[in-house]
Amino acid sequence: KQEVTQIPAALSVPEGENLVLNCSFTDSAIYNLQWFRQDPGKGLTSLLLIQSSQREQTSGRLNASLDKSSGRSTLYIAASQPGDSATYLCAVTTSGTYKYIFGTGTRLKVLA
Amino acid sequence: SAVISQKPSRDICQRGTSLTIQCQVDSQVTMMFWYRQQPGQSLTLIATANQGSEATYESGFVIDKFPISRPNLTFSTLTVSNMSPEDSSIYLCSVEAGSYYGYTFGSGTRLTVV
Repeated sequence: KQEVTQIPAALSVPEGENLVLNCSFTDSAIYNLQWFRQDPGKGLTSLLLIQSSQREQTSGRLNASLDKSSGRSTLYIAASQPGDSATYLCAVTTSGTYKYIFGTGTRLKVLA
Repeated sequence: SAVISQKPSRDICQRGTSLTIQCQVDSQVTMMFWYRQQPGQSLTLIATANQGSEATYESGFVIDKFPISRPNLTFSTLTVSNMSPEDSSIYLCSVEAGSYYGYTFGSGTRLTVV
């Protein structure tokens, strides 16, 4: 059974810092991995999608990497801003299924 | 990528009543997914809704409690029946927006049962 864990659970940093959020999964036979952002009480906004054949994706200040063999993905946020404050979730689909299994989330607060 | 309109955005309901949540997609999709997010928790899949067939429920979720309709390829509803305070959660619908975009989500329905 696929399990997804995110570390740290919460993070508070001053503005301008570069950040690394971690996502680990137990079954390396994934189809894709997606990072989302969730503001309090709101829905999910997709940030980056990494397909199983890819090793990384970039969008603006965000970079996500994928290492299937070690069961890990990292989300790198450059030059953090207060507007980046949110909960970040990773989710994976396992090959042969269409279901997303979500991680536990990292709650980020960027201080001005 | 697909855009989902979900409503209501929030509601406060009395215990014992039911609430129906609607999701409208701006393109035709084969599968729609319904998730629950309990306070402080991550998302858990409730069921998968296919047009023309009964929804497929995940372990721990039953049709009597969470009936789902899928009348066409752009619309689905989830009803939370006979509500109790334990049903207070955010409910979200989701579709696959294409292999390039992954999955997209509705804006969520924040339900409080009193």
